[in-house]
Amino acid sequence: KNEVEQSPQNLTAQEGEFITINCSYSVGISALHWLQQHPGGGIVSLFMLSSGKKKHGRLIATINIQEKHSSLHITASHPRDSAVYICAVNSGTYKYIFGTGTRLKVLA
Amino acid sequence: GAGVSQSPSNKVTEKGKDVELRCDPISGHTALYWYRQSLGQGLEFLIYFQGNSAPDKSGLPSDRFSAERTGGSVSTLTIQRTQQEDSAVYLCASSLMAGANTEAFFGQGTRLTVV
Repeated sequence: KNEVEQSPQNLTAQEGEFITINCSYSVGISALHWLQQHPGGGIVSLFMLSSGKKKHGRLIATINIQEKHSSLHITASHPRDSAVYICAVNSGTYKYIFGTGTRLKVLA
Repeated sequence: GAGVSQSPSNKVTEKGKDVELRCDPISGHTALYWYRQSLGQGLEFLIYFQGNSAPDKSGLPSDRFSAERTGGSVSTLTIQRTQQEDSAVYLCASSLMAGANTEAFFGQGTRLTVV
């Protein structure tokens, strides 16, 4: 079993839909990161969380430390949101442990 | 620079040849990481540099892989006698300092194809 599990693995949505991507982890963490990887490989850091909730534009990330779970929400989804979304955790060191990603496709 | 820069962006090489991948971190970032993403797989840690400390090479998959970081800035990942299983996207990241709560910034990656 991977230490960081994401669901769903693949997601197709219609433009405008509210999207939720989930991340569960089994290790103690200091911080959790949500990353976005566009076709071509480039990765952008979306959020770094250690507690609570953060919002940036149409993106919202929450974390529940007790339940070892985080969610990434996208409101009013758009085709340009199509990407792979990756959850990564730091378990107190510099090393990230990555989930395998959620491939999102938003249809116009 | 404005971001983490990697070169080349794409590299096709013949099996058995050596390749060098380059990473220019964000200026002033002391921590630098190399990761590998094989097709359909998650990101895999390869090596970590922090300032002048000895690098953590624990993720390098074989002795054909090596990396160096000159002057605490530019890093080169070298793969000798490439094999087809080395085909992957190699990603470099840097952060201002080491530590769990420090955000890492990723480059665009180098897509390596070994034929």
